[in-house]
Amino acid sequence: GAVVSQHPSWVICKSGTSVKIECRSLDFQATTMFWYRQFPKQSLMLMATSNEGSKATYEQGVEKDKFLINHASLTLSTLTVTSAHPEDSSFYICSARDLGTGGADSNQPQHFGDGTRLSIL
Amino acid sequence: GQSLEQPSEVTAVEGAIVQINCTYQTSGFYGLSWYQQHDGGAPTFLSYNALDGLEETGRFSSFLSRSDSYGYLLLQELQMKDSASYFCAVNRPPLIFGQGTTLQVKP
Repeated sequence: GAVVSQHPSWVICKSGTSVKIECRSLDFQATTMFWYRQFPKQSLMLMATSNEGSKATYEQGVEKDKFLINHASLTLSTLTVTSAHPEDSSFYICSARDLGTGGADSNQPQHFGDGTRLSIL
Repeated sequence: GQSLEQPSEVTAVEGAIVQINCTYQTSGFYGLSWYQQHDGGAPTFLSYNALDGLEETGRFSSFLSRSDSYGYLLLQELQMKDSASYFCAVNRPPLIFGQGTTLQVKP
């Protein structure tokens, strides 16, 4: 089945540091990837939709200058948390749909990476 | 906008059957998905309903009524390992998640 790989799985760094998280689709091409954030005991909140070769689409309330998204190839999207602060500490999860399995694109399942746990000290 | 409602917690015993309901309001809708998430882990896909009716996958079944904006996840023959959080998610697309239901299975 479709596999989404996310790296790193855990990051601990000092306040003010920028952190880059990679999301790769290993056995399929993804023109679109999605980034979610999850605080403890809460739901997964969609942050942005990453579009290959074009600008990401951010959800309301998400700072695009704070969370930089780059989708330079059909298998890789990156999320950079710039000048991270303790309130940015969270579980970040990427997701992608495999559009090569036939049927309506909108009904293809989203496959999730294993997530990145970010802790800012 | 969109909103999804599901119970925050459910407790049941091993071997029992549990139903987790989900009601939704959304401006775009292609289907309703269910995901399981254990503490510290990523969500894993359980089931998806694009059309009205029941979908069965082993011990898990999911139901959707588009006219009622309602769906449920049915877990049968509960096992201890089923203790986890369960999220319904509308496929806008992309997936928009509910707040999650914490299921605790007791011996």
